[in-house]
Amino acid sequence: AQTVTQSQPEMSVQEAETVTLSCTYDTSENNYYLFWYKQPPSRQMILVIRQEAYKQQNATENRFSVNFQKAAKSFSLKISDSQLGDTAMYFCAFMKGIQGAQKLVFGQGTRLTINP
Amino acid sequence: GAVVSQHPSWVICKSGTSVKIECRSLDFQATTMFWYRQFPKQSLMLMATSNEGSKATYEQGVEKDKFLINHASLTLSTLTVTSAHPEDSSFYICSAYPGTARTDTQYFGPGTRLTVL
Repeated sequence: AQTVTQSQPEMSVQEAETVTLSCTYDTSENNYYLFWYKQPPSRQMILVIRQEAYKQQNATENRFSVNFQKAAKSFSLKISDSQLGDTAMYFCAFMKGIQGAQKLVFGQGTRLTINP
Repeated sequence: GAVVSQHPSWVICKSGTSVKIECRSLDFQATTMFWYRQFPKQSLMLMATSNEGSKATYEQGVEKDKFLINHASLTLSTLTVTSAHPEDSSFYICSAYPGTARTDTQYFGPGTRLTVL
């Protein structure tokens, strides 16, 4: 079975700073996807960024980028120039990369607060 | 595009009654929908996988007779909490899988907060 671990329950930074959220996972699969989801106070799950395991290049979406270390099974999220609107719960998630709908396995979450 | 709605967004019921929560994909057909449960300040836990036209697959430890799932059409899945008790109070979230070539994409509904008195 796959497991996802986020070791930072809470983090807090000042606006405009850079912050990195950690995530490790365990799997015997060779083909899979990794995701970071954001859940703001509205509780709507929002996809921040995705990474395909077979791609060596780290994914980037504007201010959000990941550091994907496949051998170490590590998948951290870096938020640059943090904004007040980035305040939310962030969940790291794993999904098998096989045909058809696959379930997401979530980490415990990291509560990120951006202070003005 | 790719919008998923849930209804109701918030429901309060008395202990012993049943509550139905709807999950709809508004602009795409969802061959599969997932139902998650989220306790306060905790992560999402998958309850079951709902496939159109077939029985749902429940995760270990989830009571299938208590949490009835029906996926009668390609745009609608329902979760019925039967004989609800206070411990069933939680936030329930669905996600829908469009079944296109993009196999990694699920779309989440806004969630339903259930409070059982």
